[in-house]
Amino acid sequence: GAGVSQTPSNKVTEKGKYVELRCDPISGHTALYWYRQSLGQGPEFLIYFQGTGAADDSGLPNDRFFAVRPEGSVSTLKIQRTERGDSAVYLCASSSPRGSYNEQFFGPGTRLTVL
Amino acid sequence: LAKTTQPISMDSYEGQEVNITCSHNNIATNDYITWYQQFPSQGPRFIIQGYKTKVTNEVASLFIPADRKSSTLSLPRVSLSDTAVYYCLVGDSSGTYKYIFGTGTRLKVLA
Repeated sequence: GAGVSQTPSNKVTEKGKYVELRCDPISGHTALYWYRQSLGQGPEFLIYFQGTGAADDSGLPNDRFFAVRPEGSVSTLKIQRTERGDSAVYLCASSSPRGSYNEQFFGPGTRLTVL
Repeated sequence: LAKTTQPISMDSYEGQEVNITCSHNNIATNDYITWYQQFPSQGPRFIIQGYKTKVTNEVASLFIPADRKSSTLSLPRVSLSDTAVYYCLVGDSSGTYKYIFGTGTRLKVLA
């Protein structure tokens, strides 16, 4: 079946602008995660949804970052007043935790460039 | 969440077995050990997960000693296409499933 998809694949914006990044998880996956990956680094956790609610948003760097998942499937990561330091690849993952086994399926990411 | 330490990079030749060791001294009782692989311009991909002793699947084996303070990912007979970054993660199976990625091990397979 279809994997996790993310749109757009690339986004170039100017400093100070607002951007939205979309994630379509695997159908039926209740858990959804957003990560941010800078060049040469591992993915950095941002936020985790279980269903419609944000179960853990401790990784969001500041209040310019916000994410929603209103119907428990598609999620949108929103970044206000973008800064050059926000440039990174934003990864989305979904999973369907069952018992003690948790495999997160990652999308290809959205490369955000803030000029 | 337990922190992990693994080598920054490794080189190997095609056909060899590669072992990547990860240390996680502060692993908790509920934590599982998971390994992911990441190719350039792609998201990480799950390889294997285990709790103790040995786990084997079609692509790798995972060896975990009794004290669980380290683990070793074993890739049999690597090929050029195994060149990637490999991440060792430790996470609580009963909690939020939040994973903390380190910088990973950059494996380069040479012809």
